[in-house]
Amino acid sequence: DGGITQSPKYLFRKEGQNVTLSCEQNLNHDAMYWYRQDPGQGLRLIYYSQIVNDFQKGDIAEGYSVSREKKESFPLTVTSAQKNPTAFYLCASSIGREATLSYEQYFGPGTRLTVT
Amino acid sequence: AQSVSQHNHHVILSEAASLELGCNYSYGGTVNLFWYVQYPGQHLQLLLKYFSGDPLVKGIKGFEAEFIKSKFSFNLRKPSVQWSDTAEYFCAVNALYGNNRLAFGKGNQVVVIP
Repeated sequence: DGGITQSPKYLFRKEGQNVTLSCEQNLNHDAMYWYRQDPGQGLRLIYYSQIVNDFQKGDIAEGYSVSREKKESFPLTVTSAQKNPTAFYLCASSIGREATLSYEQYFGPGTRLTVT
Repeated sequence: AQSVSQHNHHVILSEAASLELGCNYSYGGTVNLFWYVQYPGQHLQLLLKYFSGDPLVKGIKGFEAEFIKSKFSFNLRKPSVQWSDTAEYFCAVNALYGNNRLAFGKGNQVVVIP
């Protein structure tokens, strides 16, 4: 059963702690993405990766870090430097990194992070 | 940079009413256009997409959208909504030959009253 897995569904942390959100896909997609969703803000891109061992900053990368050591995995670390980390985090993937390929993004179920 | 505008963030309507959600984007080149839907407690999923060809695109669950290039718009429509259409709807734009990123609008929260 192909898809994107994000774990855990809910995550609670104390302020000042780093936390890593997991994202795994078995769709054999090249590209992966992390978004942050806040009420009334839509989806804002944090980081994206178009190929293994490479990634680029999105619109709101400050306070976040990522790695892409394997094609199927793209973990996101929310660091203590992120000023407002409480949010719903969505991971997505797409089939290819070329503009001429189908560019639909497939989304995971999300992780709701609460930092107190 | 691409930007996507969705107006009327909250929409409340009765079953059987017609729905139209506006989406405007600011990019002058070739674009791919998408509408995604997020039902309560579910994954964000694709409703429909436009890549090329017929500007009137049909999606799942009776939705359709029309691409009007001259107006930089990709409005979503459904002639008769059901209670199960209660969801948040997002328009997204990908500019071809750019950096292959999707720009999302802020979403429309649609509530259908039985």
